[in-house]
Amino acid sequence: AQSVTQPDIHITVSEGASLELRCNYSYGATPYLFWYVQSPGQGLQLLLKYFSGDTLVQGIKGFEAEFKRSQSSFNLRKPSVHWSDAAEYFCAGLNTGTASKLTFGTGTRLQVTL
Amino acid sequence: DGGITQSPKYLFRKEGQNVTLSCEQNLNHDAMYWYRQDPGQGLRLIYYSQIVNDFQKGDIAEGYSVSREKKESFPLTVTSAQKNPTAFYLCASSIRLALGEQFFGPGTRLTVL
Repeated sequence: AQSVTQPDIHITVSEGASLELRCNYSYGATPYLFWYVQSPGQGLQLLLKYFSGDTLVQGIKGFEAEFKRSQSSFNLRKPSVHWSDAAEYFCAGLNTGTASKLTFGTGTRLQVTL
Repeated sequence: DGGITQSPKYLFRKEGQNVTLSCEQNLNHDAMYWYRQDPGQGLRLIYYSQIVNDFQKGDIAEGYSVSREKKESFPLTVTSAQKNPTAFYLCASSIRLALGEQFFGPGTRLTVL
C-alpha cells in the first residue's frame, strides 16, 4: 500500500539553528512529493514539490528538500529557523500515472525556542 | 486574487442535525477535494470530484455527502449518520485530478454539541 511516514511527531529547535524534518515514502514507483505547512487553525500552504529532475528542490520561506531514491526519503531542511516557522509540517505523496489520491503523513509539529 | 474560500470558519451543530460546509474556488480548477483533520491523524480524504456532476468516495465517506453542480463549488454535508463529526474540515482543489499540487482553503471547524 502507498504510504508516507513522518517519524517525528514533535521537534523543538532553537531560533537560528538548522532544521531537518524527516519523510519516508512507500510507493511502487517514484511518486510526486510535497511538503505543506499549517499554522494553527489555518489551511495548508505548499512549501515545495518534487515531480522529477533535480533531486534538491527549493521552496518558499527558505526551505529546501532532497529526494533520495535509495533511502525512499524526502526530508525537509532549513539552515536557520525563525520563530515564525513554528507550525505543523506535512509530507504528502501522489502516485504518478493513475488517478489516485494524495496521501499525507501524520505531520510533525515544530516548536521554536527563543 | 485567486483562491479557495470556506465558510463558515466555525460551525456548531446539535446532535441529529445535518449541516453543510461551503467551499468555493476561483482558480478554474477541475478537481476538488474534501479532507477531515483530527489531531495526530493527518488528513483523511472524504470525497473528491474530478469534474462537474461527478464525485467519488474517499477513505472515510460514510456519514457525508457532496454535490458538484458548478465547477467552482463543492459543498460538503455532514449528516446525522456521521458518528463523530467534530473535526477540522479542509477543502482543496487542483488543476486536474492527480495532477499538480493541491491548493487548500482556510478550513471550517465543526463542533457537535
